[in-house]
Amino acid sequence: SQTIHQWPATLVQPVGSPLSLECTVEGTSNPNLYWYRQAAGRGLQLLFYSVGIGQISSEVPQNLSASRPQDRQFILSSKKLLLSDSGFYLCAWRNRETEAFFGQGTRLTVV
Amino acid sequence: AQTVTQSQPEMSVQEAETVTLSCTYDTSESDYYLFWYKQPPSRQMILVIRQEAYKQQNATENRFSVNFQKAAKSFSLKISDSQLGDAAMYFCAYSLNYGGATNKLIFGTGTLLAVQP
Repeated sequence: SQTIHQWPATLVQPVGSPLSLECTVEGTSNPNLYWYRQAAGRGLQLLFYSVGIGQISSEVPQNLSASRPQDRQFILSSKKLLLSDSGFYLCAWRNRETEAFFGQGTRLTVV
Repeated sequence: AQTVTQSQPEMSVQEAETVTLSCTYDTSESDYYLFWYKQPPSRQMILVIRQEAYKQQNATENRFSVNFQKAAKSFSLKISDSQLGDAAMYFCAYSLNYGGATNKLIFGTGTLLAVQP
């Protein structure tokens, strides 16, 4: 069966520090991968999605970047965090005709 | 661009009663998927129900059913016999049925459902 791992679960980082959130998927190949951000109590904003290795589409201009170095690995990064980067980040995967499956999420607090 | 709109930020229902959550979407495509997801306080996203646009029959999953009106671009979720465990944030989502680079999954802003005992 397929599983998705996302870590860390919580993270507190100072302003200006770098960020790396990692997401890996098991049990499937060539999935579509997604990074979402959820502001407190609100909806999911699509940040990045990827349909293959090295293929990244950005949905909103921001301080973040994403990479897909391997088929089932998706990384969200920042060189210098801003206070506004705080939020709940969710990684998800799906194959062409399925629903999306989500990781447990990362609560990021920038202080 | 495709958009998903949920016009009810919060809803409340009595236990054992029925509630309907609204969702509208905007697209010029004809072949797509629609989903309802539930996010309980744990923040884990859980699929509730899915609907393929080419299917005229409304999807059902136990106490959950949808009213899919393709011409009106409406996709509402009905929860029957509401239970305390149904209390959560509910998100409507849209995706093209297309395997290429535009295979985005777009979410609405969510409806927070409270269930009163």
